[in-house]
Amino acid sequence: AQTVTQSQPEMSVQEAETVTLSCTYDTSENNYYLFWYKQPPSRQMILVIRQEAYKQQNATENRFSVNFQKAAKSFSLKISDSQLGDTAMYFCAFLRGWAGTASKLTFGTGTRLQVTL
Amino acid sequence: SQTIHQWPATLVQPVGSPLSLECTVEGTSNPNLYWYRQAAGRGLQLLFYSVGIGQISSEVPQNLSASRPQDRQFILSSKKLLLSDSGFYLCAWSPDGTILDRVGTQYFGPGTRLLVL
Repeated sequence: AQTVTQSQPEMSVQEAETVTLSCTYDTSENNYYLFWYKQPPSRQMILVIRQEAYKQQNATENRFSVNFQKAAKSFSLKISDSQLGDTAMYFCAFLRGWAGTASKLTFGTGTRLQVTL
Repeated sequence: SQTIHQWPATLVQPVGSPLSLECTVEGTSNPNLYWYRQAAGRGLQLLFYSVGIGQISSEVPQNLSASRPQDRQFILSSKKLLLSDSGFYLCAWSPDGTILDRVGTQYFGPGTRLLVL
């Protein structure tokens, strides 16, 4: 079974600064997908970024980027120019190789990020 | 574009009463559908998923059931609520695999807060 570990329960960053959230996973699969989701106080889960394991290039979405280290099974999220609206719980998630059926995500326990003035 | 709706947004129910939560998706066909529960300050627990009308897979034995009467409608039910059923319920959908750059990605609804007293 796959496991996803987020070792930082809480983090804090000042507005306009950069912060990195850590995520490691354990799998014997070679083909899989990784995701970061954001859950603000409204509690709706919002997709932040998606990475395909077979792609060596790190995914980026505006101020959000990942550092995907496949050999180390590490998938960290970097938030640049942090904004107050980035305050949220962040979840890392893993999906093993697509089999044409429902995607059963494995989630980490989350990192609570607080952006301060 | 695709949108996902959940209702009600908030529900307070007495122990022993029935439950029906509804989720609908617009703008796509043949989606995979999911029900999750999130206890306060915790991660997401997958309850049910469905790959088609009338096809339901249960992940955790419990007091709840799910049904999919139409392609884009997913319902979570209970005949008699327990105190332990309190939580935040999230519905999600994922594409059926024909959109390659979105394979496996789940998109979440706004959620329902359920309090059982």
